[in-house]
Amino acid sequence: QVQLVQSGAEVKKPGASVKVSCKASGYTFTDYYMHWVRQAPGQGLEWMGWINPNSGGTNYAQKFQGRVTVTRDTSISTAYMELSRLRSDDTAVYYCARGDPVGTTISCFDYWGQGTLVTVSS
Amino acid sequence: DIQMTQSPSSLSASVGDRVTITCRASQSISTFLNWYQQIPRKAPKLLIYAASSLQSGVPSRFSGSGSGTDFTLTISSLQPEDFATYYCQQTYSTPLTFGGGTKVEIK
Repeated sequence: QVQLVQSGAEVKKPGASVKVSCKASGYTFTDYYMHWVRQAPGQGLEWMGWINPNSGGTNYAQKFQGRVTVTRDTSISTAYMELSRLRSDDTAVYYCARGDPVGTTISCFDYWGQGTLVTVSS
Repeated sequence: DIQMTQSPSSLSASVGDRVTITCRASQSISTFLNWYQQIPRKAPKLLIYAASSLQSGVPSRFSGSGSGTDFTLTISSLQPEDFATYYCQQTYSTPLTFGGGTKVEIK
């Protein structure tokens, strides 16, 4: 069965960086896009970007351009999302979510990780 | 960016009720519209994709309709496990965007 298992909660100071991991199992990692979505406390969902695990190509929301980097390690079927220059309003639960087969049109997110709480506080 | 507007933002309903949630896009998105359910402190779960296709394993009481700018999620007979927040999402163009959510509460 498809599973996405994320790394544990993080507490960071303003200005620092955080790197969240998402380990995939139950399918061929390089065959599907991986997306990152965040949710601030009590708020809605916000898409951050995706990675093509096969090529390493990425697409980021303009809001996060220059601060977010999504990478992958195909040898361990893991995607990473690094967010830099953290601010207090980056406090949120960060999710990875499996997208569509690589090379197809973006359609939906069918499997999600359990979420990783990142708290930014001085 | 395409704005997604859901209504209502919250509603109260009883078990067995028929519930309808609407989602409006700021421009035409064809049928690139998905619906997710989120239970508190859990990850979202895909219910409906491509506006009207039921995700595998999702009960048939959930249905979706619409195209262009106006979409609807219907729960034909609300069950206790359906009390949650529902989000629409457009995947017509990046940045992918979500509606603000509709919280379905117990009356």
